[in-house]
Amino acid sequence: GESVGLHLPTLSVQEGDNSIINCAYSNSASDYFIWYKQESGKGPQFIIDIRSNMDKRQGQRVTVLLNKTVKHLSLQIAATQPGDSAVYFCAVRTGANNLFFGTGTRLTVIP
Amino acid sequence: EADIYQTPRYLVIGTGKKITLECSQTMGHDKMYWYQQDPGMELHLIHYSYGVNSTEKGDLSSESTVSRIRTEHFPLTLESARPSHTSQYLCASSETGGTEAFFGQGTRLTVV
Repeated sequence: GESVGLHLPTLSVQEGDNSIINCAYSNSASDYFIWYKQESGKGPQFIIDIRSNMDKRQGQRVTVLLNKTVKHLSLQIAATQPGDSAVYFCAVRTGANNLFFGTGTRLTVIP
Repeated sequence: EADIYQTPRYLVIGTGKKITLECSQTMGHDKMYWYQQDPGMELHLIHYSYGVNSTEKGDLSSESTVSRIRTEHFPLTLESARPSHTSQYLCASSETGGTEAFFGQGTRLTVV
């Protein structure tokens, strides 16, 4: 089966600093890599995705980096805000178009 | 705001009871999923569907069953609930070929 894992279960950052959340995956055949954010009491919400033929994609305050050589994915959040406090998941999409999620990283922003 | 709804939000039931967790979406998505989320936060895919009359088992073995008689509706049933079924259940949908899955708020099930 798929193996998707985040490096750290928890991460604390000072408000205004940049956050980096890392993820490792096992399946080289995954065609898309996606980041989700889950706030307390809610379901996960899509943040950004990156296709397997890219190595960087930027969104609003977020950047995703993909290193296929070492099967590593990261999410960078610029100028972290209290509203960014949540659990973050990376997910991979397989050929069957199913999404497999890893364990989450709980990001806590310290005011 | 995603148009996908799960009911109930919270449910406490006794061992041996049959229960159905409801999930409905109004986006016309063909692909629907059920995930089980454990206390360690990881989401495990337990069932998915490509469309009407399509149901498949996911990566995690589950004693639950699903049905897909209508595009918008994807209920999950436990014939005989056990304490080991205590968990958070999340339903999601996506367009076929899409990477963005829309999640419901989840059903937190406790079996006593």
